[in-house]
Amino acid sequence: EADIYQTPRYLVIGTGKKITLECSQTMGHDKMYWYQQDPGMELHLIHYSYGVNSTEKGDLSSESTVSRIRTEHFPLTLESARPSHTSQYLCASSERETQPQHFGDGTRLSIL
Amino acid sequence: RKEVEQDPGPFNVPEGATVAFNCTYSNSASQSFFWYRQDCRKEPKLLMSVYSSGNEDGRFTAQLNRASQYISLLIRDSKLSDSATYLCVLGGSQGNLIFGKGTKLSVKP
Repeated sequence: EADIYQTPRYLVIGTGKKITLECSQTMGHDKMYWYQQDPGMELHLIHYSYGVNSTEKGDLSSESTVSRIRTEHFPLTLESARPSHTSQYLCASSERETQPQHFGDGTRLSIL
Repeated sequence: RKEVEQDPGPFNVPEGATVAFNCTYSNSASQSFFWYRQDCRKEPKLLMSVYSSGNEDGRFTAQLNRASQYISLLIRDSKLSDSATYLCVLGGSQGNLIFGKGTKLSVKP
């Protein structure tokens, strides 16, 4: 099973703050993904990366940005958080695209 | 037509029951198929891959019907711990995975 870690697990913060959600994996997977999921709703892909210096936007438009400077690290940043950004953010990785993705525990973000 | 469609449920079944979920997909070129399980407020976890010949893992059986473009998951002898949302997942045309909305299962004593 892939080892993939997300921090923080929970974050409650005020409007206008800059936020970085961390995601790291120790499996050497090239493919990494960020999903957004509201309670009781489906997963939406917001960003993905196929390797270092590769980042792409997903199906759901998001005001967040990502970077992939190192294989193991795929942070997501919100420059100015708003209440509409309140959601759960899930990071995943896989050895190859279309292979099973392994998920981190997620970050529950609440913007006041 | 949505890429992946599932009956949202909930399916409320007694312990020991057999329950089956179906999932239909629109992209006939999809090559990979999976069932994931997601517990409330938790991350999705891979339950099993779905192979063309069908496959079984303990009480769980997955089948793929390419002609009709659907996959199924059968759970035998349901346990209370099977209560969760089951996500149908397939490989997308852009090389990523497409997740269904999920089917909620509630197993009662």
